[in-house]
Amino acid sequence: EPEVTQTPSHQVTQMGQEVILRCVPISNHLYFYWYRQILGQKVEFLVSFYNNEISEKSEIFDDQFSVERPDGSNFTLKIRSTKLEDSAMYFCASSRTGVPRETQYFGPGTRLLVL
Amino acid sequence: KNEVEQSPQNLTAQEGEFITINCSYSVGISALHWLQQHPGGGIVSLFMLSSGKKKHGRLIATINIQEKHSSLHITASHPRDSAVYICAVEEDSNYQLIWGAGTKLIIKP
Repeated sequence: EPEVTQTPSHQVTQMGQEVILRCVPISNHLYFYWYRQILGQKVEFLVSFYNNEISEKSEIFDDQFSVERPDGSNFTLKIRSTKLEDSAMYFCASSRTGVPRETQYFGPGTRLLVL
Repeated sequence: KNEVEQSPQNLTAQEGEFITINCSYSVGISALHWLQQHPGGGIVSLFMLSSGKKKHGRLIATINIQEKHSSLHITASHPRDSAVYICAVEEDSNYQLIWGAGTKLIIKP
């Protein structure tokens, strides 16, 4: 069964460093999402992406964050200058369509620790 | 902005018991999702509902749009059902999923 994959599974970085989290969505899916979950807290929506542009973004998704689909298979989340509070689990998801809404399929997550 | 509330926060039951987890939300939605988060963190979509009822194996999800309420039921619960069950809603006005805090379910053998 097709699945969403994410790399790396864990990343440790120093505050102020740039990180790139990678996701490979399911191949025939057109809508892509990033979510984060700070330890012990709710999952939060970051951004949705369709047709090579951002569809929606939350207040969390500020200028420090960017997303890209560089090559037709990967979907990346870049954090330019990491802060301690960026430590969280980051989940990528994809869906075949966005309207009407369909089930989102989630990757296993990347656990980011900023020191 | 929608507030998504789940109850109970924690639920411990014996194997075989019928389980009900509740979710309420505050403003109009286009769809409601039930998801399962395993201890390792992975998230699996269980259901997406916009009306009525859906069933998949031992899991049943219902939604009452007028009352802004949904329930997830597990029949004949099993220890492998132990996980965090999360309700998330999509508002009419945007495509962002707003997540509840989750219900941590433990099924004892």
